[in-house]
This record gives sequence, C-alpha cells and structure tokens, in this order.
Amino acid sequence: AQSVSQHNHHVILSEAASLELGCNYSYGGTVNLFWYVQYPGQHLQLLLKYFSGDPLVKGIKGFEAEFIKSKFSFNLRKPSVQWSDTAEYFCAVNGATSGTYKYIFGTGTRLKVLA
Amino acid sequence: EAEVAQSPRYKITEKSQAVAFWCDPISGHATLYWYRQILGQGPELLVQFQDESVVDDSQLPKDRFSAERLKGVDSTLKIQPAELGDSAMYLCASSLVQGTGELFFGEGSRLTVL
Repeated sequence: AQSVSQHNHHVILSEAASLELGCNYSYGGTVNLFWYVQYPGQHLQLLLKYFSGDPLVKGIKGFEAEFIKSKFSFNLRKPSVQWSDTAEYFCAVNGATSGTYKYIFGTGTRLKVLA
Repeated sequence: EAEVAQSPRYKITEKSQAVAFWCDPISGHATLYWYRQILGQGPELLVQFQDESVVDDSQLPKDRFSAERLKGVDSTLKIQPAELGDSAMYLCASSLVQGTGELFFGEGSRLTVL
C-alpha cells in the first residue's frame, strides 16, 4: 500500500534561515510526487511537482525539491525563508493501483517563520 | 480564475443527525475527490470519482457515508447519522486528468458534531 511520511511536524525558523522538510514514501511502482502548501486561512495549493526527468524540481516562491529514488525521498528545500512562508506543507504521492491513480498525503509540517 | 466551490463552509450538527456537503469542481475536470482532514493530520481520501463513476471508495465508511456525482459534474457527500468522530474539515478537489494532474482544492466544509 502507498504511504507518505513527513518527519517534521512543527518547524520554527528565523527569517533568512534555510529550510529542509523531509518526505519519504512507500510505493512499489512509478510515482508522481508533489508538495502542496496551505497558507493560513487559504486552501491547499500546489507548490511543485515531479513526474520524470531532472530529479531537482523548482516550484513557486523559490522552493525546490529533490527526488532521490534510492531513498524513496522527495525533500523540500528553500535557501532563505521569509515570514510569508509560514504555512503548512504537505507531501503527496500519486501512483497507479489497479489502473486508478490514488493521491496520498503525508501528515503535514507546520512551518512558522519568525520575523 | 476558476475555483472549486464547496458549501456549506461551516456546519454544526448534533450527533445522529444527517449532514450533506456539496462540491462543484472546475469546469471540465473529470476527476473529483473528497478528502477528510482531521486537525493536525493530512487529508485522507474518502472517495474518488472519474466522471460519474466511483473509482475508489475503499476508505469511505459506507455504513454512514455516501457520495454521488450523478451527472459527472457536481457532487454530494452525505453522512447519516453523524458521530462525534466525524468532526473534521471535508475537502473537495478536482483535477483535469488522473495521474499527473494537479489537484485544485476548494475552501472546505468544516463540520462540528456535538
């Protein structure tokens, strides 16, 4: 069965600090990988995605993520966070099971950036 | 910008009552999802539709939950009877295609069961 693990539930950083949020998944086949973000009071929205090709993908607002197949990981990074990055971040995996693509989300990481 | 519409935004009900949530996906999106999100957890898939057909409802508590998408457009999720443990945010999302499609989420419907 598919599963997604996010190791950090709460992260507090000061502005300009670097960010790395861990995500590991479990799935036996080809997967598509996503990071979604939920800003306070807003709905979930896509941050970035990986389907194939270059394992280092860049998303909006300076975020990037690296797919490491051997480690089943898709960690999210940002070199220098801003106060406006305060949000909850969800890693998601999408893989085919019996012909149906199932979107599975991790438990989320709540990031607070201190000004 | 096209959005996924959900209603009601908030619902307070007593246990054993019936509750219904409505979702209108982005026009042309064939795939529709209902998720439940309990505070502090990630979204949990309840049911997935491809057009009007259910393609996955393995996590839907079918003794009390039902979902339909009769014309392959908007969808309704019903709970009857509601239980205290059903208190959560119910999220609707849609995508143009399965697989590589980005999910577009609605604002959600927050249910409180007293």
